Amino acid sequence: GAVVSQHPSWVICKSGTSVKIECRSLDFQATTMFWYRQFPKQSLMLMATSNEGSKATYEQGVEKDKFLINHASLTLSTLTVTSAHPEDSSFYICSARDYGELFFGEGSRLTVL
Amino acid sequence: QKEVEQDPGPLSVPEGAIVSLNCTYSNSAFQYFMWYRQYSRKGPELLMYTYSSGNKEDGRFTAQVDKSSKYISLFIRDSQPSDSATYLCAMMKETSGSRLTFGEGTQLTVNP
Repeated sequence: GAVVSQHPSWVICKSGTSVKIECRSLDFQATTMFWYRQFPKQSLMLMATSNEGSKATYEQGVEKDKFLINHASLTLSTLTVTSAHPEDSSFYICSARDYGELFFGEGSRLTVL
Repeated sequence: QKEVEQDPGPLSVPEGAIVSLNCTYSNSAFQYFMWYRQYSRKGPELLMYTYSSGNKEDGRFTAQVDKSSKYISLFIRDSQPSDSATYLCAMMKETSGSRLTFGEGTQLTVNP
């Protein structure tokens, strides 16, 4: 199946700093990618839909100014957590669609101290 | 009320047992139903995908959808220790543009 790669897989940062997470579709082009957040022992919650060449669509309750999404090419979407705080510590997962099937990245674990 | 309800478990079974995992949902607009397996600290991987009501079998896995009851199931036959993971149900509406709604996930342990 198609491969979606995330980087970094784990990042630790200080409170107040910004962190960028990359999501790449390695062997296919994705006009749409999705960003999810998963807290421990909880389900995946959709944060936003990333659209290549246009603004992302955010789910209700997700701060667009805090979670900046850029989808500059057909194979790369980035999520930047700005001014991160400990409550932003979570597992961030992206997914991309290839011929109707969704493929998920391995996830990026963010720990904010 | 959550749109998708799933018993989080944990569920512990002996090797070789038949495992039954279930989800209920409240929104009749869901048309596509998926089961994902997620190992610890990894992204989910698709196990089964069904459209509307019916059964689908793939090896040791069988997915069932009962739209009249708003109830879906995943059965695992001859369970193996390697099946130990969290199983997430997910659903999608016809017009959602691939936006998935996930259940909480059921943590399964298969003991050798």
